[in-house]
Amino acid sequence: DAGVIQSPRHEVTEMGQEVTLRCKPISGHNSLFWYRQTMMRGLELLIYFNNNVPIDDSGMPEDRFSAKMPNASFSTLKIQPSEPRDSAVYFCASSLGDRGQETQYFGPGTRLLVL
Amino acid sequence: DQQVKQNSPSLSVQEGRISILNCDYTNSMFDYFLWYKKYPAEGPTFLISISSIKDKNEDGRFTVFLNKSAKHLSLHIVPSQPGDSAVYFCAAGSSGAGSYQLTFGKGTKLSVIP
Repeated sequence: DAGVIQSPRHEVTEMGQEVTLRCKPISGHNSLFWYRQTMMRGLELLIYFNNNVPIDDSGMPEDRFSAKMPNASFSTLKIQPSEPRDSAVYFCASSLGDRGQETQYFGPGTRLLVL
Repeated sequence: DQQVKQNSPSLSVQEGRISILNCDYTNSMFDYFLWYKKYPAEGPTFLISISSIKDKNEDGRFTVFLNKSAKHLSLHIVPSQPGDSAVYFCAAGSSGAGSYQLTFGKGTKLSVIP
């Protein structure tokens, strides 16, 4: 079975450019999560969707960040304009169920470097 | 305010010995806990979980212990193997109010020395 797929795996861009990260969750999963990992703050939840609807975006750092989930098999995280402090590894994860104790399965991550 | 804390950034253990990774939490609403393992350049992978109705869960070489009164959990790996060398994240969640969020600790890097 294919796991969570993220693209690109690496992204190098210049400050001010728009960056779009993509995620394909595991087929059949109904919750999707975007995380950011940095040395200083560890793994932080940015936003999560349930049944394609954003449930909590309180972790999104600022208005430069936006996320969409147009259908059950695709989500994007966009940063516009990007800044050097956005450099981090961004993970997408998905889970199945609505009991609230589901295991989240992570993608391999996108390593973003903003120069 | 960190709700899930892993106070040891790193741990070194000899192959064949026991590895004990610790995690503390502050939020009384957390009622299930997970451990994830992460290799470099890969995403975290689920290892083992425990619900707050239990105090122990075992899966092969991996055992998680939960002490609710102390708000503390630990992961025991016995015997430790070089392939266990990775970063281990503790995570906690609350199944109430339909929330699906997990809160992660900052991780402990385990090095198993052959």
